[in-house]
Amino acid sequence: DSGVTQTPKHLITATGQRVTLRCSPRSGDLSVYWYQQSLDQGLQFLIQYYNGEERAKGNILERFSAQQFPDLHSELNLSSLELGDSALYFCASDPSGGRYNEQFFGPGTRLTVL
Amino acid sequence: AQKVTQAQTEISVVEKEDVTLDCVYETRDTTYYLFWYKQPPSGELVFLIRRNSFDEQNEISGRYSWNFQKSTSSFNFTITASQVVDSAVYFCALRLGLSGNTGKLIFGQGTTLQVKP
Repeated sequence: DSGVTQTPKHLITATGQRVTLRCSPRSGDLSVYWYQQSLDQGLQFLIQYYNGEERAKGNILERFSAQQFPDLHSELNLSSLELGDSALYFCASDPSGGRYNEQFFGPGTRLTVL
Repeated sequence: AQKVTQAQTEISVVEKEDVTLDCVYETRDTTYYLFWYKQPPSGELVFLIRRNSFDEQNEISGRYSWNFQKSTSSFNFTITASQVVDSAVYFCALRLGLSGNTGKLIFGQGTTLQVKP
């Protein structure tokens, strides 16, 4: 158990819908990262937050947004869902977001868009 | 550009065989960090090791060992006396030595290891 929690574990929804994925980092970790794992794209970085502020952005679609709250949990919002958004979404955390640290991953949320 | 290549898509071995998973990375940064993660069938990503670019010492942890060679930009992972429980997808990842509390991981495509009894 990495200490990072993600809910829900599975999510099945229809095209055009909006969903919210939730992540709680390890106790004491200030940085949260979101990654998407799909068959065709592999594991791709989406976005990073550090202590409530956005720090880095990757290949995140405009239909996707995220935020980190004062209690440090984070939410990833996916809207106008398309079939191609079906993927495993991981959240990871580390203490400072600094380069020295390894990131610890949550169990992931498997999103299926029908 | 930064890139990680794991040329082996799938490897199949019989239990107790040794197996090496290859990882080649590209970066122009002089400071960077390399990682290996394991993704078992259950799906979670498990951290295995981190290596800094300025530390080329090889590392051994039980049946696992890692060979880091800057000259060939490689960070290979060897499992000695493989076991069925080692069956998983293994990812190599690169993180740049950026400042300012940022740092995304750039993952390779992963190598699926199947260990048969």
